[in-house]
Amino acid sequence: EVQLVESGGGLVQPGGSLRLSCVASGFTFSNYSMTWVRQAPGKGLEWISVISVSGAFAYYGDFVKGRFTISRDNSRNTVDLQMNSLRAEDTAIYYCAKDSRAGAFSPADHWGQGILVTVSS
Amino acid sequence: SSVVTQPPSVSVAPGKTARITCGGNIIGSTGVHWYQQKPSQAPVLVISYDTDRPSGTPERFSGSKSGNTATLTISRVEAGDEADYYCQVWDYTSDQYLFGAGTMLTVL
Repeated sequence: EVQLVESGGGLVQPGGSLRLSCVASGFTFSNYSMTWVRQAPGKGLEWISVISVSGAFAYYGDFVKGRFTISRDNSRNTVDLQMNSLRAEDTAIYYCAKDSRAGAFSPADHWGQGILVTVSS
Repeated sequence: SSVVTQPPSVSVAPGKTARITCGGNIIGSTGVHWYQQKPSQAPVLVISYDTDRPSGTPERFSGSKSGNTATLTISRVEAGDEADYYCQVWDYTSDQYLFGAGTMLTVL
């Protein structure tokens, strides 16, 4: 069974940093691209980033503007999201997700339960 | 970057057919994916690459595309289908995925 478990969320002050981590199990992690998506309270889904199977390629949503960095460690089955210069509008539930097709950027077929990040003073 | 547009809400009676659209200039040139999200739950992929049903998606769910509009069709709608539905596309002009704003499906 595929499982994705996020950690590292919580309350952070504006301008601060936070590192989210997602540990994966139940599939061959190194064969799949991994994605982060967020959802602000009462709002829609917002795609953040995707990272390739090797970690060599990553793409980001326009709103990131260099503030977030995605990375992965295939030896530990983890994908991280480093978030810097956080703003109140970054307050959201952050989801880690597994892409559906091995070796290719593709829609996400398994999602974590999500973790709340609150940016507030 | 491009924009994809969904109606904010769709209402349908049980047993009838619901159609949710996703429009935009990029639709005709890229695969469209659909997610269902129920309150306080993570999204679930229900249609990928315009028409493909992942395992576990009921056959009542189907996808189609014509020109710059994609449509998610739910036949014989049930109360349990009430949810938010999001379309997603890869915007090759800016190398990022885009979500539509979402459509709230209400079963009357």
